[in-house]
Amino acid sequence: DQQVKQNSPSLSVQEGRISILNCDYTNSMFDYFLWYKKYPAEGPTFLISISSIKDKNEDGRFTVFLNKSAKHLSLHIVPSQPGDSAVYFCAASGAGTASKLTFGTGTRLQVTL
Amino acid sequence: KAGVTQTPRYLIKTRGQQVTLSCSPISGHRSVSWYQQTPGQGLQFLFEYFSETQRNKGNFPGRFSGRQFSNSRSEMNVSTLELGDSALYLCASKLGQGADGSPLHFGNGTRLTVT
Repeated sequence: DQQVKQNSPSLSVQEGRISILNCDYTNSMFDYFLWYKKYPAEGPTFLISISSIKDKNEDGRFTVFLNKSAKHLSLHIVPSQPGDSAVYFCAASGAGTASKLTFGTGTRLQVTL
Repeated sequence: KAGVTQTPRYLIKTRGQQVTLSCSPISGHRSVSWYQQTPGQGLQFLFEYFSETQRNKGNFPGRFSGRQFSNSRSEMNVSTLELGDSALYLCASKLGQGADGSPLHFGNGTRLTVT
């Protein structure tokens, strides 16, 4: 039962353009949503999060949008840079699951010159 | 501030053996979680410890176990290794307990290969 889904395994974007990574979830009990970036041979690095009571959160080049009615969130990276090339994971947590994060399967972003 | 430290970085074991992985959380962090990452399944939650007590457990067989010490350091153990246990094992820590939106901070993992 995949409660958090990232349906695009890969995405290629030109440097300077916008990258949009999508994530869908099925469990309406999730309270928080987080995005992590992962380089090969390293652990995931936290990027940005959003509470279920908000619909947008922004941090520098990164913005996360949450649409609760559609159970959908997206991460926007503007402008995209070559160093953003990595695998991006969407994760969710909710009341009753303590600190447990449920992860999507990831989207590999490649930013080309 | 030092990050989450996992040792060893790489391990090769044979089927039937057991293995112990170690994790030192960020100083002051009392919650430690473990995740398994495989190409087909992504990151799967193993268990979470807070104040030396297991607070949550994922859907893994009893061969997977863990513990947390009074200094918040944690170990996980896998007994009777199977080929399918080959994976990257990630440890993560956070300051408090519960789903409060504060992020988990991950170590670089232990790459376990079972032959």
